[in-house]
Amino acid sequence: KQEVTQIPAALSVPEGENLVLNCSFTDSAIYNLQWFRQDPGKGLTSLLLIQSSQREQTSGRLNASLDKSSGRSTLYIAASQPGDSATYLCAAYSGTYKYIFGTGTRLKVLA
Amino acid sequence: DTAVSQTPKYLVTQMGNDKSIKCEQNLGHDTMYWYKQDSKKFLKIMFSYNNKELIINETVPNRFSPKSPDKAHLNLHINSLELGDSAVYFCASSQEGGVGVGYTFGSGTRLTVV
Repeated sequence: KQEVTQIPAALSVPEGENLVLNCSFTDSAIYNLQWFRQDPGKGLTSLLLIQSSQREQTSGRLNASLDKSSGRSTLYIAASQPGDSATYLCAAYSGTYKYIFGTGTRLKVLA
Repeated sequence: DTAVSQTPKYLVTQMGNDKSIKCEQNLGHDTMYWYKQDSKKFLKIMFSYNNKELIINETVPNRFSPKSPDKAHLNLHINSLELGDSAVYFCASSQEGGVGVGYTFGSGTRLTVV
């Protein structure tokens, strides 16, 4: 049974800092792993999707890596800004018509 | 706009009532889902429909009954609402169910049972 864990649960950093969010999953047989952003009271916005055959994906200041063998993914945010404050969720897709979500990391970037 | 839309956005109701949440997608996707996000923000799958057929039913009480009249709609009906049903319910859809491509979430319905 797939389980997804995210650490830290919460993170507070000053503006401009580079930061790393961690995601680990127990079953390496995944099709893809996706990182989402959730703003308070809002839905989920897809940030990056990494297919199982890929090692990383980049979008602007965001870079996500995937290491299937170790069951880990990281989301790297460069030069953080107050607008990056949100909850970040990683989710693993094992080809069973559902994503298994982690518990999220609540990020606060201080101006 | 192409999207997954849910109605209502907010729903406050008393214990014991029956309520429905509607979801529609105009993305041409063949698979639709209901997820529940509890008070601790943990998001978990409830149901999945592929081409109007139920694929996943994740140990959800039978007070919850999804209905998919066509590929573009997946509604969630809840009978005899309980306090513990208070949560945010997200609808989602994806293309080519099974590989998670193009997964798109609605903005959620916040259900409060009093």
